[in-house]
Amino acid sequence: DVKVTQSSRYLVKRTGEKVFLECVQDMDHENMFWYRQDPGLGLRLIYFSYDVKMKEKGDIPEGYSVSREKKERFSLILESASTNQTSMYLCASRLTGGGGYTFGSGTRLTVV
Amino acid sequence: ILNVEQSPQSLHVQEGDSTNFTCSFPSSNFYALHWYRWETAKSPEALFVMTLNGDEKKKGRISATLNTKEGYSYLYIKGSQPEDSATYLCAFDSGTASKLTFGTGTRLQVTL
Repeated sequence: DVKVTQSSRYLVKRTGEKVFLECVQDMDHENMFWYRQDPGLGLRLIYFSYDVKMKEKGDIPEGYSVSREKKERFSLILESASTNQTSMYLCASRLTGGGGYTFGSGTRLTVV
Repeated sequence: ILNVEQSPQSLHVQEGDSTNFTCSFPSSNFYALHWYRWETAKSPEALFVMTLNGDEKKKGRISATLNTKEGYSYLYIKGSQPEDSATYLCAFDSGTASKLTFGTGTRLQVTL
């Protein structure tokens, strides 16, 4: 069964901490994405990557960075966590050329 | 930022009722329209990817239609069951960089 795996289901971090959210896919997909989901706002794209070492800003990249050193792994980094980054974070991957996303199960991050 | 809207925001129906929701999206630069079902504590699951104007897709009791000229899609559930309770997301695909723009979702609750 193909999978997108996010390393943590729940995380609690302190304001100012550097936070790493990890995502690994086993489908050899070129494209990987990080979204956050907030009530009433839907899924908003933070960053995406269409190849190793390539990254593109999404709609809300401020306060985040990403890393894609290997095809299967896409990391989201909160440089200095703030309370307004408390959210559900979803990773997804997709083949170039069509088809839908395959999503991870999400990481619920709380910044206190 | 593209505007993808879903209505209603939430819906509460009785078991056996049939229901439908709407997704509206830009009619220009259209490549595909995706529907996902997101159950609590699970990953969003792909339902349909629709590309052609007039397309109709069906999966069990769930079906969807597409009108690309006027920019809307309907999702129908016939004879709702409690296991249909989920958030239903639509996503606009412009074919650019493989990224999707999501609506805010319709949260469906089906009770006995």
